[in-house]
Amino acid sequence: SQQGEEDPQALSIQEGENATMNCSYKTSINNLQWYRQNSGRGLVHLILIRSNEREKHSGRLRVTLDTSKKSSSLLITASRAADTASYFCATGGYQKVTFGTGTKLQVIP
Amino acid sequence: NAGVMQNPRHLVRRRGQEARLRCSPMKGHSHVYWYRQLPEEGLKFMVYLQKENIIDESGMPKERFSAEFPKEGPSILRIQQVVRGDSAAYFCASSPLRDQNNEQFFGPGTRLTVL
Repeated sequence: SQQGEEDPQALSIQEGENATMNCSYKTSINNLQWYRQNSGRGLVHLILIRSNEREKHSGRLRVTLDTSKKSSSLLITASRAADTASYFCATGGYQKVTFGTGTKLQVIP
Repeated sequence: NAGVMQNPRHLVRRRGQEARLRCSPMKGHSHVYWYRQLPEEGLKFMVYLQKENIIDESGMPKERFSAEFPKEGPSILRIQQVVRGDSAAYFCASSPLRDQNNEQFFGPGTRLTVL
């Protein structure tokens, strides 16, 4: 079964609004990663947060991690049409990465 | 530094034929991973290889699928006697080190269509 489950499965917002996606996982982790996948393309690594970190920022991205609840959130601020993509959380390290089911984000211009 | 390269980008096969997917990792990367993505789903791990070694193949179907990463040349994912259910996007990733916090760099994928 999937390690990560994203919520919501799909999200549609207006350009300029913030988008929040959540991810829950089942087992203990060393780190959690977020990836973006544009339609028909490969994955782009967005951000990695370690298990001893609670929050991390990268540009317009903000990721939180709550290991007690086994959950993470990805916030994209001031969204742009180019942010339209599927977003996946993933857990694991060098051995293999286990992906969630993804959130499909549509940003309407 | 070129990224992870995969070829072909698109592959069409008839049922019963063989499919060979190639992956060239980033320069300096000795760890290769293969993932499969069915339509509208997330990526599922298939196999993890280092040069000339299969480290973890727990996600590989027991039959018809094999993978190798020879000393020289790209990693190959081979699917024999393809069936319609093999239609998917196959992604390769590479990383430089055996490190829990190491990022995996993904290729653009090969989209396999089985007619």
